[in-house]
Amino acid sequence: LAKTTQPISMDSYEGQEVNITCSHNNIATNDYITWYQQFPSQGPRFIIQGYKTKVTNEVASLFIPADRKSSTLSLPRVSLSDTAVYYCLVGSPGWAGKSTFGDGTTLTVKP
Amino acid sequence: DARVTQTPRHKVTEMGQEVTMRCQPILGHNTVFWYRQTMMQGLELLAYFRNRAPLDDSGMPKDRFSAEMPDATLATLKIQPSEPRDSAVYFCASGLTSGAPWEQYFGPGTRLTVT
Repeated sequence: LAKTTQPISMDSYEGQEVNITCSHNNIATNDYITWYQQFPSQGPRFIIQGYKTKVTNEVASLFIPADRKSSTLSLPRVSLSDTAVYYCLVGSPGWAGKSTFGDGTTLTVKP
Repeated sequence: DARVTQTPRHKVTEMGQEVTMRCQPILGHNTVFWYRQTMMQGLELLAYFRNRAPLDDSGMPKDRFSAEMPDATLATLKIQPSEPRDSAVYFCASGLTSGAPWEQYFGPGTRLTVT
């Protein structure tokens, strides 16, 4: 099971781009990288997932280098409502093994 | 908009009492997860089911916790007897094994307080 390491916290200002990096040095060949967002008093919410290179959706982009030992979640032009905890998760298809959410990164967006 | 539902949303009970939490996964989802979240331990996986069969419950204290899926529309998590250290938010999540790996949909959680 690949262990992930993220910064504990980050601060940003409205309108800026935020990049949160996750390290997963022992990622397995079949593992995908998934990011979740959690607001206070809510369950985590799926944001984006990728296997390699770059993935983009309406919420965020995910950059994965060729060695796949890290990944970067990019949030364009953040707003106050993006203040949340962001979790990086690594796991293989078919739900094999356990998922581990780690400690997450608390992003605080300031006005 | 399909959602995972959990009941009750809040539960306050005394030590030693039985607690039952219920979850209705999204219709058609074949995988269900139970998580516990505390400030100290973060988000911990307690158990997960695929097609109603338990695949892994190694994260659960076996002597007091039990998880079941009586049918495809209901998952339950029981604590008997409850202890103050069980105070936490318990989340249920569901997903599809044919879908994106680890794309889970979480419910709103049950906030349990054991006094």
